Amino acid sequence: DQQVKQNSPSLSVQEGRISILNCDYTNSMFDYFLWYKKYPAEGPTFLISISSIKDKNEDGRFTVFLNKSAKHLSLHIVPSQPGDSAVYFCAASAGNKLVFGAGTILRVKS
Amino acid sequence: KAGVTQTPRYLIKTRGQQVTLSCSPISGHRSVSWYQQTPGQGLQFLFEYFSETQRNKGNFPGRFSGRQFSNSRSEMNVSTLELGDSALYLCASSYRGAAGEGDIQYFGAGTRLSVL
Repeated sequence: DQQVKQNSPSLSVQEGRISILNCDYTNSMFDYFLWYKKYPAEGPTFLISISSIKDKNEDGRFTVFLNKSAKHLSLHIVPSQPGDSAVYFCAASAGNKLVFGAGTILRVKS
Repeated sequence: KAGVTQTPRYLIKTRGQQVTLSCSPISGHRSVSWYQQTPGQGLQFLFEYFSETQRNKGNFPGRFSGRQFSNSRSEMNVSTLELGDSALYLCASSYRGAAGEGDIQYFGAGTRLSVL
């Protein structure tokens, strides 16, 4: 039962353009959402989060949007840089447990 | 402040053996969670410990077990290893494990387990 889905296994973007990574969820009890970035041979690194009472959170080049009615969140990276190339996981929380999506590989071409 | 430390980084075992992985959380963090990462499957939740008690458990067989010590360090054990157990095992720590404002899970670099 995949409660958190990232339907795009990979995304390729030109340097300087916007990267949009998407995530859908099914459990309406999720109350906190996070994005993590993972480089090969490293653990996931926390990137940005959003509470279910908000619809947008911004941190520098990274913005997360939450659409609760559609059970959808997205991560926007503007402008994209080659160093952003990594696997991005979205995660959702209900209580003490995080549920992760399968990840999206982002490649930023210079 | 030191991050989450996992040892060993790499392990090679054969089918039927057992293995123990170790995780030292960030100082002050009392919650430790374990995840299994396999290609295309994302991070699958194994279990979470808080103050030496298992609070949550994922859908893994009983061959997967864990414990937490009084200093919050945690170990994960897999008995009777199968080929399908080959994966990256990640540990994450947080203050309360509630995954909300001000309580983010921070991950270690993981232990890569290969079962031959």
